[in-house]
Amino acid sequence: AQKVTQAQTEISVVEKEDVTLDCVYETRDTTYYLFWYKQPPSGELVFLIRRNSFDEQNEISGRYSWNFQKSTSSFNFTITASQVVDSAVYFCALRWMDSSYKLIFGSGTRLLVRP
Amino acid sequence: EAGVTQSPTHLIKTRGQQATLRCSPISGHTSVYWYQQALGLGLQFLLWYDEGEERNRGNFPPRFSGRQFPNYSSELNVNALELEDSALYLCASSLEGSGLSPKNIQYFGAGTRLSVL
Repeated sequence: AQKVTQAQTEISVVEKEDVTLDCVYETRDTTYYLFWYKQPPSGELVFLIRRNSFDEQNEISGRYSWNFQKSTSSFNFTITASQVVDSAVYFCALRWMDSSYKLIFGSGTRLLVRP
Repeated sequence: EAGVTQSPTHLIKTRGQQATLRCSPISGHTSVYWYQQALGLGLQFLLWYDEGEERNRGNFPPRFSGRQFPNYSSELNVNALELEDSALYLCASSLEGSGLSPKNIQYFGAGTRLSVL
């Protein structure tokens, strides 16, 4: 079965702290894609990153970084020096090679960054 | 460039009524996806339209239906509304066309919040 698990329901940090959001996935396919989206209070899902199953290089974009490890089926997201504007719900999602092309989402992690 | 736009922002209906939600994809995008985000149930895939045809649907009853117009905009119709249909309905678009691939990024709109009383 294809599945995404985000075990952390809610995380609260103080501004400038680093925070890591965990994502564990399950899939039988060898070719698949992982995504992270941010959902601020406005409701819109904002695309953050896409990673394919053949590229295990970690990626850094400003204060954001992602650690993809196939050995543990994890795709974790770290925010360095968090800011109040980072407060949102973050979703990890999976998409694989079949005709459905839908995204399977984790349950999301609500991040609250306190000033 | 305009993103995915959805209308209305909020919709209030009573049980048994019908609701129509609209979505305009990013210019050039041919695929439209609909997702339901209900409290406690997370984000669930509803429908996928590509080039005017329904390509796949999620595990939802037939009273959830929709269509895609020649300009690639889309409508989601929910008939015989039930209280549990209350949710945020999100539309996403992607550039699939002849290059269907799971790598294609889905870009989301801000959603329509449907409240069924």
